[in-house]
Amino acid sequence: DQQVKQNSPSLSVQEGRISILNCDYTNSMFDYFLWYKKYPAEGPTFLISISSIKDKNEDGRFTVFLNKSAKHLSLHIVPSQPGDSAVYFCAAIWSGSEKLVFGKGTKLTVNP
Amino acid sequence: ETGVTQSPTHLIKTRGQQVTLRCSSQSGHNTVSWYQQALGQGPQFIFQYYREEENGRGNFPPRFSGLQFPNYSSELNVNALELDDSALYLCASSLQQSTGELFFGEGSRLTVL
Repeated sequence: DQQVKQNSPSLSVQEGRISILNCDYTNSMFDYFLWYKKYPAEGPTFLISISSIKDKNEDGRFTVFLNKSAKHLSLHIVPSQPGDSAVYFCAAIWSGSEKLVFGKGTKLTVNP
Repeated sequence: ETGVTQSPTHLIKTRGQQVTLRCSSQSGHNTVSWYQQALGQGPQFIFQYYREEENGRGNFPPRFSGLQFPNYSSELNVNALELDDSALYLCASSLQQSTGELFFGEGSRLTVL
């Protein structure tokens, strides 16, 4: 039962353009959503998060959008840089839970 | 401030053997979670420890067990290893909270032959 789904295993964009990574979820109890970035041979690192009471959160080049009615969130990276090339995981959690639920990840490649 | 460190980084075991993986949490963090990441999958929650007590468990059999020590470091033990246990095992530390911001180590890559 995949509660958090990332349907695109990979994405390739040109440097300077926008990268859009998508994520869908099925569990309405989730009230906090996060994006993690993972480089090879490193653990995932927290990137940005959003509470279910918001529909947008920005941090520099990174913006996360949440559409609760569609149970969909997306991560926008503008402008994309080669150093952004990594695997991006969408994750979700609900208040009072200790368990972070991850998607399978999307491998982003930013070409110079 | 030291980050999360895990050991060993790589190891190879055979079916039926037992393994212990170790994790030192980030300074000041009192909660440790363990995740299993199989090839091509996202990390899956194994369990969490808070103040030396198990504080939640995912869908893993009892042969997966853990410990947390007074200094908040932790161990993951897996008995009777199976081929499907081959994965990257990630330790993450945090303060006790449920907003999901975790600090991960680089992981221990376990191969079971």
